[in-house]
Amino acid sequence: AQSVTQLGSHVSVSEGALVLLRCNYSSSVPPYLFWYVQYPNQGLQLLLKYTSAATLVKGINGFEAEFKKSETSFHLTKPSAHMSDAAEYFCAVRDTGTASKLTFGTGTRLQVTL
Amino acid sequence: GAVVSQHPSRVICKSGTSVKIECRSLDFQATTMFWYRQFPKQSLMLMATSNEGSKATYEQGVEKDKFLINHASLTLSTLTVTSAHPEDSSFYICSARSIPRGASYNEQFFGPGTRLTVL
Repeated sequence: AQSVTQLGSHVSVSEGALVLLRCNYSSSVPPYLFWYVQYPNQGLQLLLKYTSAATLVKGINGFEAEFKKSETSFHLTKPSAHMSDAAEYFCAVRDTGTASKLTFGTGTRLQVTL
Repeated sequence: GAVVSQHPSRVICKSGTSVKIECRSLDFQATTMFWYRQFPKQSLMLMATSNEGSKATYEQGVEKDKFLINHASLTLSTLTVTSAHPEDSSFYICSARSIPRGASYNEQFFGPGTRLTVL
């Protein structure tokens, strides 16, 4: 069964600092990988996805993630944090079958301080 | 991009009553819809997967008689929480997916969620 592990349930950065949210996956074959953001009392918004094309994926709001097969990782980064980035971030994995299901990580709450 | 709506966004009900939550794909046909449950400060847990015109497939541990799912059309799925109790209070999120012709990858879109509070 596939799974994702998000290291750090809570990450705090200063405004303007680098954001690094970690995600490691477990899958027998390279899967599809996703990062979602959730603001309070809202649904999920897709930040970016890896679907076996370029390993460096650029998403919305200045975020990007790099698929590293050797490390089974898909860490999310942003060069400079903004106050509006404060939210819950979920990494998710799915195998490549069209009928497959998403499995979510436990989430990382990003706090941005002045 | 594709839009998924949920109604209501927030509902408060008395214990023992039933509550229906609607999930609609507004600008695409959803061959598959998913229902998730999210407890405070926790991740999303898949409850069930429904395909249009067929019975929903429930995840292990989810009571199918408690959480009735109907996917009657390609744009509408409903989740009915029957005889709700306070422990059913949660944030319920639906998601919809289509399978474009010739595509190997199909996007999954999420609704804004419904906050259910059972008194």
